[in-house]
This record gives sequence, C-alpha cells and structure tokens, in this order.
Amino acid sequence: KQEVTQIPAALSVPEGENLVLNCSFTDSAIYNLQWFRQDPGKGLTSLLLIQSSQREQTSGRLNASLDKSSGRSTLYIAASQPGDSATYLCAVDGEDDMRFGAGTRLTVKP
Amino acid sequence: DARVTQTPRDKVTEMGQEVTMRCQPILGHNTVFWYRQTMMQGLELLAYFRNRAPLDDSGMPKDRFSAEMPDATLATLKIQPSEPRDSAVYFCASGPGTGLDGYTFGSGTRLTVV
Repeated sequence: KQEVTQIPAALSVPEGENLVLNCSFTDSAIYNLQWFRQDPGKGLTSLLLIQSSQREQTSGRLNASLDKSSGRSTLYIAASQPGDSATYLCAVDGEDDMRFGAGTRLTVKP
Repeated sequence: DARVTQTPRDKVTEMGQEVTMRCQPILGHNTVFWYRQTMMQGLELLAYFRNRAPLDDSGMPKDRFSAEMPDATLATLKIQPSEPRDSAVYFCASGPGTGLDGYTFGSGTRLTVV
C-alpha cells in the first residue's frame, strides 16, 4: 500500500522568504502527483499536477518537481506572502488509489 | 467552472441515527473518491468508484458504512447507525480517471454526531 510522508509537519517563515515543502512516497508506480492547498475549515484546492512522465510544473510563484525513481516531490514557493498561509497536501495517484500525506501547515508572518 | 457538489454542507445528528451524504461529481468524470478528514487522522480514504463500480472500500467500517453510485451523477455515503467517533468532515472528489488529470474536491460535509 502506498505511503505518503510530508516534511515538515509545520513551518513558520517571515514574509518574502522562499521555501520548500517536501513529499515522499513509497511506491514509484504512480500516474501523477497533485499538490493541494487547504485553508482552515475549507475544502482542498488543486495547485499543481505533475504527471508521472514530467519532472516539474510551474504556476506563478509555485514550482513543483517530481523525482519518481527516488519517490520524492517538492513544492517550492517563491517570495512567500501572508496569504500563502494554509495547509499544503500532496496526493499520489497510483494504480490502486489516491493517497495523501498528512500535510504541511505553513504560516507566513507579515 | 465545473465543480463537485456535496450536500448537506453541515449535519448535526444524534447517535444512532442514519446519515446520508451526497456527492454530484463533475459531468463526465468516471472516478469518485470518498475521504474522511479528522485532526488526528488526516485524510483517510474510505471508498472509491470507477464507472460506478466500487473498486476499493477497504477503508470503510463495513458494519455501519455503505457507499453507492446509483447513477453517474450521484454518489452517496451512508452511516447507519452513526456514532460520535464518526464526527469528521467527509469529502468527495471526482476525476476523469485517465491518470493524466487530477481530481477536484467538493467543499465537504461536516458531520457532528452527538
């Protein structure tokens, strides 16, 4: 069964910093990996999707990379803003199902 | 924008009562997931369907939970009888199931069993 781990569990940074969130998975037989954002009390919003054949995807200040062979993905956030404060979740879509990490709770201080 | 619709948004019920949660997937999506989210456990996969057929429901307590897709526009998750430990936010997600595209989540049903 696929296991997904996210490190760190929580992160607090001052506004303007660049930061990296990490996601690792145990089974490299995946279709894609998706990064989501969740605000408190809200649903999940898709940020980026990386297909298994791709190495990275970019959207604005966000860049996600995927190294399938090593079972790792990173989400890079440039020039962080207080509005980026949320929980970030990675989801791995594999042959059996879609599994989530526990998330990284990000706080960006003004 | 196409979206996944979940109803009800919030549900408060007494222990022992039946609870039904509904999900309308995005038109054309053939894969539907049900997840439960709690502070302690995070997002747990309960069940998922492809082309209305259940592929995996091993995450569900079978004695009280059931999930169905009576048609392509409706997925249901029932709990009977409900217990306080079922209190959580239940999310539905749908996708085209191609492996090339991601999934879209509904806003969730917040269930409180008292």
